[in-house]
Amino acid sequence: RKEVEQDPGPFNVPEGATVAFNCTYSNSASQSFFWYRQDCRKEPKLLMSVYSSGNEDGRFTAQLNRASQYISLLIRDSKLSDSATYLCVVNFSTGGFKTIFGAGTRLFVKA
Amino acid sequence: GAGVSQSPSNKVTEKGKDVELRCDPISGHTALYWYRQSLGQGLEFLIYFQGNSAPDKSGLPSDRFSAERTGGSVSTLTIQRTQQEDSAVYLCASSLATTGGYEQYFGPGTRLTVT
Repeated sequence: RKEVEQDPGPFNVPEGATVAFNCTYSNSASQSFFWYRQDCRKEPKLLMSVYSSGNEDGRFTAQLNRASQYISLLIRDSKLSDSATYLCVVNFSTGGFKTIFGAGTRLFVKA
Repeated sequence: GAGVSQSPSNKVTEKGKDVELRCDPISGHTALYWYRQSLGQGLEFLIYFQGNSAPDKSGLPSDRFSAERTGGSVSTLTIQRTQQEDSAVYLCASSLATTGGYEQYFGPGTRLTVT
């Protein structure tokens, strides 16, 4: 089992739709979590951190479920410009610091 | 302020040659990471540096790969005797630290093509 797993998709949704991605992790000692966005042939860019209490930034909501060991990203009112690959990142410090990126979930928003 | 910069942006080399890739992290960031991303694939962790601590080299794929970080700032990733399977985008990132949930900021990457 991979330490961080994401559904690769692709998710094909119409403009205005709500879409959600999950990312599961296996190490219960994981400490910090992030969502990144990566456009084709570009570097990953930080989208948002994920806090234990959940957090929202405009149309984006991130949540952490420690009991079930997953994080989620919800995008409301999807825009064409949201089309990208979304990467989750999990950091933990068991036996030394480690950072693991998920393989990403591809999203296509169509008109 | 200035972000992470990498050079060169593109590098084409012949199989068997050595290459050096450079990364300038964000000023004040103590942690620096190297990743590799092949076309259509996820990020593969290579190595990270944190302050003056010994680097974590656990992700380096072979002894042909090495990296150093001079003066706690600029880092160089060296690939010796390049092979065609080394062709990928090499990404560098930096963060304030490796604990406390600090975010990583990426440079634009170096696209390496081995012919």
